[in-house]
Amino acid sequence: KAGVTQTPRYLIKTRGQQVTLSCSPISGHRSVSWYQQTPGQGLQFLFEYFSETQRNKGNFPGRFSGRQFSNSRSEMNVSTLELGDSALYLCASSLQPGTGGSYEQYFGPGTRLTVT
Amino acid sequence: KNQVEQSPQSLIILEGKNCTLQCNYTVSPFSNLRWYKQDTGRGPVSLTIMTFSENTKSNGRYTATLDADTKQSSLHITASQLSDSASYICVVSRLTGGGADGLTFGKGTHLIIQP
Repeated sequence: KAGVTQTPRYLIKTRGQQVTLSCSPISGHRSVSWYQQTPGQGLQFLFEYFSETQRNKGNFPGRFSGRQFSNSRSEMNVSTLELGDSALYLCASSLQPGTGGSYEQYFGPGTRLTVT
Repeated sequence: KNQVEQSPQSLIILEGKNCTLQCNYTVSPFSNLRWYKQDTGRGPVSLTIMTFSENTKSNGRYTATLDADTKQSSLHITASQLSDSASYICVVSRLTGGGADGLTFGKGTHLIIQP
């Protein structure tokens, strides 16, 4: 079974631009979560989607948005990029959001975004 | 405030040696604790998941322990190999009735195995 795939793997953008990242979950998985990873802050939760609905959102500004399609594929968008948005953006999929966090989630390889 | 603290931040050991990584947490109410291994340029991969009632779990040369009373966990790596060089992330889940929003991540321990 293929794992979680993310595209593109690397991206360089200029401050003020916008960017769209894509995530394809493991076949059969309906829940997709997004995380931002930086050396200083570690992994931080962005948002979680299940059945095309955003279930939860982390503490990030409105410039960060996302969506999920009927085939469970997900995209996240960052508008008006800032230098501080440079990070590794990770997507994770699971069968469904689990009660009490007992579900297993599988991470993709990430998209390395550099804002100059 | 829900927090996960990992120590040390970085560690260098010789191939074949053992090492122990620490994780202290203040997450409440507690559901489970996971250890992930993240190779450079890759996404994290789950090593172990432990619930409140489990105090030891092994995965090959990796053994995780959990003391729910003191809110501490450790990851012990036996007979280290060069492929163990990676970041190890401790993640604690709280009982929220939800999903990923209930996870609190540590900043990780960066482990380097030298030949």
